[in-house]
Amino acid sequence: TAGITQAPTSQILAAGRSMTLRCTQDMRHNAMYWYRQDLGLGLRLIHYSNTAGTTGKGEVPDGYSVSRANTDDFPLTLASAVPSQTSVYFCASSDARGGGYNEQFFGPGTRLTVL
Amino acid sequence: RKEVEQDPGPFNVPEGATVAFNCTYSNSASQSFFWYRQDCRKEPKLLMSVYSSGNEDGRFTAQLNRASQYISLLIRDSKLSDSATYLCVVNRGGAGNMLTFGGGTRLMVKP
Repeated sequence: TAGITQAPTSQILAAGRSMTLRCTQDMRHNAMYWYRQDLGLGLRLIHYSNTAGTTGKGEVPDGYSVSRANTDDFPLTLASAVPSQTSVYFCASSDARGGGYNEQFFGPGTRLTVL
Repeated sequence: RKEVEQDPGPFNVPEGATVAFNCTYSNSASQSFFWYRQDCRKEPKLLMSVYSSGNEDGRFTAQLNRASQYISLLIRDSKLSDSATYLCVVNRGGAGNMLTFGGGTRLMVKP
């Protein structure tokens, strides 16, 4: 199985432009997450979704929006990119119904550079 | 203060050495704990969960001390392939299974 896929693998984007990072999972997990990873700061949660049709804000949500129209897809949109959004973006999913010890599975990441 | 703190390293050790990493967390209500491994320019992957009773998986041993709010990872007989960044991860509990990641400890195993 593919697990989690992300697209694109990398992207260079002009400041002020919009972009959608795609994430798809085939594990039928109810919960999905978007993180960004920056040197020295570790992974930080941007947005999450506990189930299709619901979303919530993480630690660093400003400048990003998400939607969860179905179980499998969880796109992340940057409406007007700024250079501080240069980062590596990871999508993750988990079966979060059973309590705290649920593994999160990560996609391969999208490397975004905003110039 | 960061919610999950780790020594960033790098820890440079020879093959066959034993190495230990510690991690501290600030939220006493945290419910579950993990070590993830991340190779350079790759996604994080679960290495092991950390239970109150401690757990061992081959050369890897994880311990949890709730009273002192720290988690440890011990790697015995280090292999070159153990070179990676090790992320300490805490689940605060509540809806959504949301995790908080430490900044990671980099391990480099040398021949």
